Amino acid sequence: NAGVTQTPKFQVLKTGQSMTLQCAQDMNHNSMYWYRQDPGMGLRLIYYSASEGTTDKGEVPNGYNVSRLNKREFSLRLESAAPSQTSVYFCASSVLPRDIHGYTFGSGTRLTVV
Amino acid sequence: AQSVTQPDIHITVSEGASLELRCNYSYGATPYLFWYVQSPGQGLQLLLKYFSGDTLVQGIKGFEAEFKRSQSSFNLRKPSVHWSDAAEYFCPPLSGAGSYQLTFGKGTKLSVIP
Repeated sequence: NAGVTQTPKFQVLKTGQSMTLQCAQDMNHNSMYWYRQDPGMGLRLIYYSASEGTTDKGEVPNGYNVSRLNKREFSLRLESAAPSQTSVYFCASSVLPRDIHGYTFGSGTRLTVV
Repeated sequence: AQSVTQPDIHITVSEGASLELRCNYSYGATPYLFWYVQSPGQGLQLLLKYFSGDTLVQGIKGFEAEFKRSQSSFNLRKPSVHWSDAAEYFCPPLSGAGSYQLTFGKGTKLSVIP
Protein backbone atom coordinates (compact mmCIF):
# COMPACT_ATOMS: atom_id res chain seq x y z
CA ASN A 1 0.00 0.00 0.00
CA ALA A 2 1.18 3.51 -0.79
CA GLY A 3 2.09 5.66 2.16
CA VAL A 4 4.76 6.42 4.73
CA THR A 5 6.81 3.53 6.10
CA GLN A 6 8.78 3.80 9.34
CA THR A 7 11.35 1.36 10.69
CA PRO A 8 11.76 0.02 13.26
CA LYS A 9 8.36 -0.10 14.96
CA PHE A 10 9.82 -0.65 18.43
CA GLN A 11 13.27 -0.03 19.89
CA VAL A 12 14.86 -0.10 23.32
CA LEU A 13 18.13 1.79 23.78
CA LYS A 14 20.48 2.27 26.66
CA THR A 15 21.38 5.80 27.66
CA GLY A 16 24.21 7.06 25.46
CA GLN A 17 23.59 4.67 22.57
CA SER A 18 22.92 5.99 19.10
CA MET A 19 20.39 4.96 16.51
CA THR A 20 18.71 6.08 13.31
CA LEU A 21 15.01 6.00 12.65
CA GLN A 22 14.17 5.43 9.02
CA CYS A 23 11.27 6.89 7.05
CA ALA A 24 10.34 6.40 3.41
CA GLN A 25 7.37 7.57 1.36
CA ASP A 26 6.27 6.40 -2.07
CA MET A 27 3.81 9.18 -2.91
CA ASN A 28 6.30 11.45 -4.67
CA HIS A 29 5.85 14.05 -1.91
CA ASN A 30 8.29 16.93 -1.68
CA SER A 31 8.10 17.64 2.05
CA MET A 32 8.79 15.38 5.02
CA TYR A 33 8.56 15.81 8.80
CA TRP A 34 9.55 14.19 12.06
CA TYR A 35 7.28 14.58 15.11
CA ARG A 36 7.43 13.16 18.60
CA GLN A 37 4.38 12.36 20.70
CA ASP A 38 4.45 12.30 24.47
CA PRO A 39 1.50 11.61 26.77
CA GLY A 40 -0.70 14.67 27.16
CA MET A 41 1.51 16.76 24.85
CA GLY A 42 0.10 16.18 21.40
CA LEU A 43 2.67 16.02 18.59
CA ARG A 44 5.67 18.32 18.46
CA LEU A 45 7.75 18.95 15.36
CA ILE A 46 11.41 17.96 15.62
CA TYR A 47 12.72 18.66 12.11
CA TYR A 48 11.30 19.02 8.66
CA SER A 49 12.48 18.99 5.08
CA ALA A 50 10.52 21.29 2.80
CA SER A 51 12.13 19.77 -0.28
CA GLU A 52 14.96 17.44 -1.21
CA GLY A 53 18.26 18.97 -0.12
CA THR A 54 16.84 21.18 2.65
CA THR A 55 16.22 20.60 6.34
CA ASP A 56 15.09 22.93 9.12
CA LYS A 57 14.58 22.81 12.86
CA GLY A 58 11.15 22.53 14.34
CA GLU A 59 9.97 23.10 17.88
CA VAL A 60 12.12 20.50 19.69
CA PRO A 61 15.32 19.79 17.67
CA ASN A 62 17.84 19.42 20.51
CA GLY A 63 19.46 15.99 20.65
CA TYR A 64 18.49 15.05 17.10
CA ASN A 65 19.91 15.24 13.61
CA VAL A 66 18.24 14.51 10.29
CA SER A 67 19.23 13.56 6.77
CA ARG A 68 17.12 13.91 3.65
CA LEU A 69 18.78 11.11 1.76
CA ASN A 70 16.72 11.55 -1.40
CA LYS A 71 13.18 12.55 -2.26
CA ARG A 72 11.77 9.36 -0.73
CA GLU A 73 13.76 9.03 2.49
CA PHE A 74 14.15 11.16 5.60
CA SER A 75 16.01 9.74 8.59
CA LEU A 76 16.19 10.90 12.21
CA ARG A 77 19.33 10.21 14.25
CA LEU A 78 19.82 10.19 17.98
CA GLU A 79 23.57 10.50 18.59
CA SER A 80 23.50 9.90 22.33
CA ALA A 81 20.11 8.78 23.54
CA ALA A 82 18.70 10.12 26.80
CA PRO A 83 15.69 8.95 28.84
CA SER A 84 13.94 12.22 27.92
CA GLN A 85 13.87 11.00 24.33
CA THR A 86 11.59 8.12 25.25
CA SER A 87 8.63 8.81 23.02
CA VAL A 88 6.66 7.73 19.98
CA TYR A 89 8.13 9.16 16.79
CA PHE A 90 6.06 9.85 13.71
CA CYS A 91 7.22 10.62 10.22
CA ALA A 92 4.91 12.47 7.85
CA SER A 93 4.97 13.75 4.31
CA SER A 94 3.09 16.21 2.13
CA VAL A 95 3.10 17.39 -1.46
CA LEU A 96 4.10 20.90 -0.40
CA PRO A 97 5.11 22.47 2.93
CA ARG A 98 1.80 24.34 3.11
CA ASP A 99 -0.36 21.63 1.70
CA ILE A 100 -4.11 22.09 1.72
CA HIS A 101 -4.46 18.32 1.56
CA GLY A 102 -2.72 17.81 4.88
CA TYR A 103 0.02 15.41 5.83
CA THR A 104 0.22 11.62 5.54
CA PHE A 105 1.60 9.98 8.67
CA GLY A 106 3.47 6.76 9.24
CA SER A 107 2.45 4.29 11.94
CA GLY A 108 5.16 5.40 14.34
CA THR A 109 8.27 4.13 16.13
CA ARG A 110 7.97 3.52 19.86
CA LEU A 111 11.36 4.27 21.43
CA THR A 112 12.30 3.56 25.03
CA VAL A 113 15.60 4.81 26.45
CA VAL A 114 16.63 3.13 29.71
CA ALA B 1 1.83 33.21 18.69
CA GLN B 2 -0.11 30.56 16.81
CA SER B 3 -2.08 28.23 19.05
CA VAL B 4 -4.85 25.71 19.07
CA THR B 5 -6.98 24.65 22.01
CA GLN B 6 -9.00 21.51 22.43
CA PRO B 7 -10.82 22.25 25.69
CA ASP B 8 -11.90 18.68 26.40
CA ILE B 9 -9.11 16.29 27.35
CA HIS B 10 -11.40 13.27 27.60
CA ILE B 11 -15.01 12.71 26.51
CA THR B 12 -17.14 9.63 27.09
CA VAL B 13 -20.28 9.00 25.05
CA SER B 14 -22.65 6.09 24.64
CA GLU B 15 -22.71 4.20 21.38
CA GLY B 16 -25.39 5.70 19.13
CA ALA B 17 -25.25 9.11 20.81
CA SER B 18 -24.25 12.25 18.99
CA LEU B 19 -20.78 13.72 19.34
CA GLU B 20 -19.22 17.16 19.18
CA LEU B 21 -15.52 17.75 19.76
CA ARG B 22 -14.43 21.33 20.24
CA CYS B 23 -11.47 23.04 18.62
CA ASN B 24 -10.47 26.71 18.92
CA TYR B 25 -7.54 28.38 17.22
CA SER B 26 -5.91 31.78 17.39
CA TYR B 27 -4.64 33.23 14.14
CA GLY B 28 -4.88 36.46 12.26
CA ALA B 29 -5.84 35.00 8.93
CA THR B 30 -7.93 31.92 8.28
CA PRO B 31 -5.59 28.96 8.52
CA TYR B 32 -5.93 25.66 6.78
CA LEU B 33 -7.81 23.47 9.26
CA PHE B 34 -7.74 19.72 9.71
CA TRP B 35 -9.10 16.99 11.92
CA TYR B 36 -7.04 13.83 12.43
CA VAL B 37 -7.91 10.65 14.30
CA GLN B 38 -5.43 8.37 16.03
CA SER B 39 -6.60 4.90 16.98
CA PRO B 40 -4.70 3.20 19.82
CA GLY B 41 -1.20 2.26 18.75
CA GLN B 42 -1.69 3.67 15.27
CA GLY B 43 -0.62 6.66 13.23
CA LEU B 44 -2.79 9.63 12.40
CA GLN B 45 -5.49 9.48 9.75
CA LEU B 46 -6.97 12.55 8.10
CA LEU B 47 -10.72 12.86 8.73
CA LEU B 48 -11.44 16.11 6.92
CA LYS B 49 -10.02 19.48 5.97
CA TYR B 50 -11.07 23.08 5.35
CA PHE B 51 -9.29 25.88 3.58
CA SER B 52 -12.01 27.93 1.87
CA GLY B 53 -15.57 27.85 0.58
CA ASP B 54 -18.48 26.13 2.28
CA THR B 55 -17.88 26.29 6.01
CA LEU B 56 -19.51 22.90 6.63
CA VAL B 57 -17.24 20.13 5.41
CA GLN B 58 -17.85 16.42 5.22
CA GLY B 59 -15.21 13.85 5.97
CA ILE B 60 -14.71 10.14 6.16
CA LYS B 61 -16.44 7.79 8.60
CA GLY B 62 -19.55 10.01 8.79
CA PHE B 63 -17.79 12.97 10.42
CA GLU B 64 -18.40 16.62 9.61
CA ALA B 65 -16.97 19.88 10.89
CA GLU B 66 -18.06 23.49 10.76
CA PHE B 67 -15.75 26.47 10.54
CA LYS B 68 -17.01 29.54 12.41
CA ARG B 69 -14.75 32.51 11.85
CA SER B 70 -16.48 34.68 14.45
CA GLN B 71 -15.82 32.09 17.13
CA SER B 72 -12.42 30.93 15.80
CA SER B 73 -13.74 27.41 16.02
CA PHE B 74 -13.71 24.27 13.90
CA ASN B 75 -15.78 21.74 15.83
CA LEU B 76 -16.09 18.11 14.78
CA ARG B 77 -19.48 16.38 14.84
CA LYS B 78 -20.97 12.97 14.25
CA PRO B 79 -24.69 12.20 14.60
CA SER B 80 -24.30 8.64 15.86
CA VAL B 81 -21.08 7.33 17.40
CA HIS B 82 -19.87 3.78 16.83
CA TRP B 83 -17.65 1.83 19.22
CA SER B 84 -14.89 1.93 16.61
CA ASP B 85 -14.76 5.73 16.91
CA ALA B 86 -12.99 5.39 20.26
CA ALA B 87 -9.66 7.10 19.61
CA GLU B 88 -7.78 10.33 20.09
CA TYR B 89 -8.70 13.32 17.93
CA PHE B 90 -6.53 16.25 16.92
CA CYS B 91 -7.32 19.50 15.09
CA PRO B 92 -3.98 20.96 13.98
CA PRO B 93 -4.22 24.15 11.95
CA LEU B 94 -1.71 25.01 9.27
CA SER B 95 -1.23 28.72 9.04
CA GLY B 96 -1.65 30.15 5.57
CA ALA B 97 1.19 32.61 6.00
CA GLY B 98 4.77 31.42 6.41
CA SER B 99 4.25 28.37 8.58
CA TYR B 100 5.57 25.03 7.54
CA GLN B 101 4.04 22.91 10.21
CA LEU B 102 0.85 21.53 11.57
CA THR B 103 0.51 22.88 15.12
CA PHE B 104 -0.94 20.21 17.39
CA GLY B 105 -2.88 20.74 20.58
CA LYS B 106 -3.09 18.11 23.28
CA GLY B 107 -5.96 16.29 21.60
CA THR B 108 -9.25 14.89 22.86
CA LYS B 109 -9.55 11.27 23.86
CA LEU B 110 -12.94 9.77 23.02
CA SER B 111 -14.24 6.76 24.90
CA VAL B 112 -17.41 4.98 23.73
CA ILE B 113 -19.64 3.05 26.13
CA PRO B 114 -21.43 0.07 24.55
